Amino acid sequence: GQQLNQSPQSMFIQEGEDVSMNCTSSSIFNTWLWYKQDPGEGPVLLIALYKAGELTSNGRLTAQFGITRKDSFLNISASIPSDVGIYFCAGTPTGNQFYFGTGTSLTVIP
Amino acid sequence: SQTIHQWPATLVQPVGSPLSLECTVEGTSNPNLYWYRQAAGRGLQLLFYSVGIGQISSEVPQNLSASRPQDRQFILSSKKLLLSDSGFYLCAWTGGGGGYEQYFGPGTRLTVT
Repeated sequence: GQQLNQSPQSMFIQEGEDVSMNCTSSSIFNTWLWYKQDPGEGPVLLIALYKAGELTSNGRLTAQFGITRKDSFLNISASIPSDVGIYFCAGTPTGNQFYFGTGTSLTVIP
Repeated sequence: SQTIHQWPATLVQPVGSPLSLECTVEGTSNPNLYWYRQAAGRGLQLLFYSVGIGQISSEVPQNLSASRPQDRQFILSSKKLLLSDSGFYLCAWTGGGGGYEQYFGPGTRLTVT
């Protein structure tokens, strides 16, 4: 199945810094989703985006649905140690099948 | 509110033994249900998805199978496990009729020895 290009693959940042990651697809999606996964647990849905150009926030997290419908971005402001984990993007063209990025591993250094 | 359960949480099985992992969803009806496998903490691989009772779509040919005997129950099975079946198995659901938000269960860690 299709795999989305997610970058960067890993990030090491100081506590308090902002974080940006993005995801691109070769095809158009109607929905973009962003997840966070802690070790040994299932991914947790952070943000869902439904319209091209849409900007949605969840606390210190902000995500955008790209205008081309082929990309999405996630920003985390003022990172804290509990932000550590793997972040995944996902997209779906129809709502039945979902395609996932390879993940961005985030390490926050206190 | 909706919740999704998976069991067991961890499983260690010898090569050649059978497998049965179960997933149930509460608080919704007619969900789409999914089985994924995740290796080494990255890359979710879709194994099966189901849009209704008895309706199973397979994405990857392998020695695994899935069944949906009830609306909110999804089972992943194997008759004979291989070493390569080791991994983290995740069940997920979306609202029926093409819901666009997908929610995951806590996962089952399977180690085949």
